[in-house]
Order: sequence, then C-alpha cells, then structure tokens
Amino acid sequence: QKEVEQNSGPLSVPEGAIASLNCTYSDRGSQSFFWYRQYSGKSPELIMSIYSNGDKEDGRFTAQLNKASQYVSLLIRDSQPSDSATYLCAVRSSGGYQKVTFGTGTKLQVIP
Amino acid sequence: EPEVTQTPSHQVTQMGQEVILRCVPISNHLYFYWYRQILGQKVEFLVSFYNNEISEKSEIFDDQFSVERPDGSNFTLKIRSTKLEDSAMYFCASRIDRDQPQHFGDGTRLSIL
Repeated sequence: QKEVEQNSGPLSVPEGAIASLNCTYSDRGSQSFFWYRQYSGKSPELIMSIYSNGDKEDGRFTAQLNKASQYVSLLIRDSQPSDSATYLCAVRSSGGYQKVTFGTGTKLQVIP
Repeated sequence: EPEVTQTPSHQVTQMGQEVILRCVPISNHLYFYWYRQILGQKVEFLVSFYNNEISEKSEIFDDQFSVERPDGSNFTLKIRSTKLEDSAMYFCASRIDRDQPQHFGDGTRLSIL
C-alpha cells in the first residue's frame, strides 16, 4: 500500500509568519509531487508541483523535495488569513497510469 | 482559464437507487479521473480513464461503479444500488498528458438517504 503521510494539525501561525508543511511518502519510485489547497467543502486547488530534488519557488510558496529522504515540504511566506485551509500533499505513483495518492492533509490556521 | 465542470453540485438519492454523476473535462485533456472524499477524510482515488477505457481502478471501485465517456466530451460515473456509505464528495479530474498535474472540478456532493 503506497502511503502519503501528513500531520493533520491544526498548524497555527501568526499573520506574516512562515508556515511550514511537511509530507512523507512510501513509494520510492514516485516521480511527481503536488501540493493542493482545499477550503472546507471545496475541491482541491493546485498550488505547486515539483518533480526534481531541491526547491521550487512560486510567489510566496516554496516547495522542497528530497527523494532520498522521501520527503516533501511546502513553505508559505508572509502567511495571510486567506491561506487558512487544508493543504493536501499528493504523490503520483510510479508505473501504471499514474494515479495520484493524497495525504490526509494538514489544516493551517493563520491568526490575524 | 478552462475548467473541469461537474453536475449536479448536490445530489440526494434514496438508498438502493442508481445515480449518475456528470463531468465535462477540459477539452484537450486526455486522462480522466474520479475521486471521492468522505466527510472529514482524505481524497481517495477511484478510477482513471484513458483512450476510452479504464486504465486503473482502486479496490473501492467494485461492480457497483462504472464509468463512461459517451460522446467525447462528458465523463460519467454511475453508482448502482447506492448505499449509505456512498455519501461523499465526488471529484472529477483531468490532465492533458502524463507529465502534467490533474485539475479538479468543484465536485458533486452525494447524499444517500
């Protein structure tokens, strides 16, 4: 069973701070990694995708990937109350038609 | 920006009845998916569809479920003989090719009474 693990939270950070979200995965052959944001009752919204080791930055978001440690993280700089949501880590499996396996999500609360 | 559209947004059905959930993927996308999310739980893969056939399915996707792309634009999920535990949000997703991320529709909330 290929697993994606996240701390369910809630993670509370003050407005303007850096929020750090972490994810580990079990399938060592996984090639593609995604962070989705999900507001309550809404669908997952893609924030970042990362495919190779290292950092990838997009605005206030930075995704970090370490395949040797099977670890993915998302940093949100200058956190805003509107960032309050559940952040889903998703991993595309190796082989087959590449279904995406989701973690349970980390709930982020940004306190004004 | 093109979107994946799903209808209806909310479906209420009596237990034992059949339901069809509808999706219109982004027009040039080739890979299609259904996921479900039971309230408070994680998003779970149900099935993937490519080249007019099922390419992969999970253990959840048993004989009660079927998918179809009847006309080249719609992508449907049929659930026969619904059960209370089928109550969930059902998300359709699509992507253009193997190397791109999936884009999700807004979902259909299915409530089985």
